[in-house]
Amino acid sequence: DTAVSQTPKYLVTQMGNDKSIKCEQNLGHDTMYWYKQDSKKFLKIMFSYNNKELIINETVPNRFSPKSPDKAHLNLHINSLELGDSAVYFCASSQGTSGEKETQYFGPGTRLLVL
Amino acid sequence: GEDVEQSLFLSVREGDSSVINCTYTDSSSTYLYWYKQEPGAGLQLLTYIFSNMDMKQDQRLTVLLNKKDKHLSLRIADTQTGDSAIYFCAESRTGGYNKLIFGAGTRLAVHP
Repeated sequence: DTAVSQTPKYLVTQMGNDKSIKCEQNLGHDTMYWYKQDSKKFLKIMFSYNNKELIINETVPNRFSPKSPDKAHLNLHINSLELGDSAVYFCASSQGTSGEKETQYFGPGTRLLVL
Repeated sequence: GEDVEQSLFLSVREGDSSVINCTYTDSSSTYLYWYKQEPGAGLQLLTYIFSNMDMKQDQRLTVLLNKKDKHLSLRIADTQTGDSAIYFCAESRTGGYNKLIFGAGTRLAVHP
């Protein structure tokens, strides 16, 4: 049983297109996150939602729009894709935001390649 | 600054111990984490330590925390070829809601 799942696993698209990545967790967690891992393997947080409310919004272009329809899902929509958006996008979830509840569990990643 | 720093590469012989080091910056970080990433895979949580502890042991893994020097290490005993991966250190930044700040990762290569 996959705890944090992402679709698609791979995404190859042209510059200028709009695409979405979906994330689902079946852990019953309240908090979900999106991270970006660049070609040098550097990981940086983009967004976080707690109980469907946006709580972390790092300096990310507004072409990136997260949406949380319910606590178990956090999707990422990207408009007008650029070459620099090519990366691996990881979804994560945690039980909460304090104490041991803040421990984050990651999905398998979505490898996005923009041509 | 925001940097969590790790050495980029470590090569060990199978059966030896591996020690991966990390320095972090935020003295108020509550938890510090080690994640493992195998090629083409996601991040697997290995272990974590609360900031008021100085050591945690979990089977072959030993985490040491020196809070004064903001230094964290992960020791893997009896390293196996299956341990070859990238190991990320991360600190949980407080100040409202926690976010993980990751190091650049240490690539561990295990050779016969």
